[in-house]
Amino acid sequence: GAVVSQHPSRVICKSGTSVKIECRSLDFQATTMFWYRQFPKQSLMLMATSNEGSKATYEQGVEKDKFLINHASLTLSTLTVTSAHPEDSSFYICSAEGLGQSTDTQYFGPGTRLTVL
Amino acid sequence: DAKTTQPNSMESNEEEPVHLPCNHSTISGTDYIHWYRQLPSQGPEYVIHGLTSNVNNRMASLAIAEDRKSSTLILHRATLRDAAVYYCILRGLKGTNAGKSTFGDGTTLTVKP
Repeated sequence: GAVVSQHPSRVICKSGTSVKIECRSLDFQATTMFWYRQFPKQSLMLMATSNEGSKATYEQGVEKDKFLINHASLTLSTLTVTSAHPEDSSFYICSAEGLGQSTDTQYFGPGTRLTVL
Repeated sequence: DAKTTQPNSMESNEEEPVHLPCNHSTISGTDYIHWYRQLPSQGPEYVIHGLTSNVNNRMASLAIAEDRKSSTLILHRATLRDAAVYYCILRGLKGTNAGKSTFGDGTTLTVKP
């Protein structure tokens, strides 16, 4: 149980374009999903927390207009990187917790590697 | 946020036990201690978590100090597949940081054959 998927696993785009990353909880309903960013050789940095049906809560320093998060259903959250630039190139990871699982445990997706040229 | 401190790296021989320490001296009464591990280019994998009592599962054991200011993840017989970055994280249940996981730098475990 407790599988979280992300799509795409890898994306390369041109500077100025927008990229959407999907995060799905496959076998449970996720009341809360988290989005992280990880640069090479660094730890995970929490970007935002999203609860189903409400606006996401962004961490300090994360631009909400640049990183649009939508959590429209209990199994899907999306992160859209708008007008991406090379400095946005990173490994983006989502996690989920919620109904039917331990409320203390997050389950992570496999990550999405974004490269902006 | 309550912080955790871990050694940057540790080495182990295959099939020997490994004890990965974590200090969390500012832990609050409602913070759970979680351990995750991450292989290169993958998302973190849940290992174990606990509150006060020691915990065992098929992957590892978690020993929590009586004052809860430190904990130790125990891999009973390290295998090459256990080589990863191990993160010790505190997750709060109350307040503005409720549910959040703050990742430190973790411990890079190398397992030698």
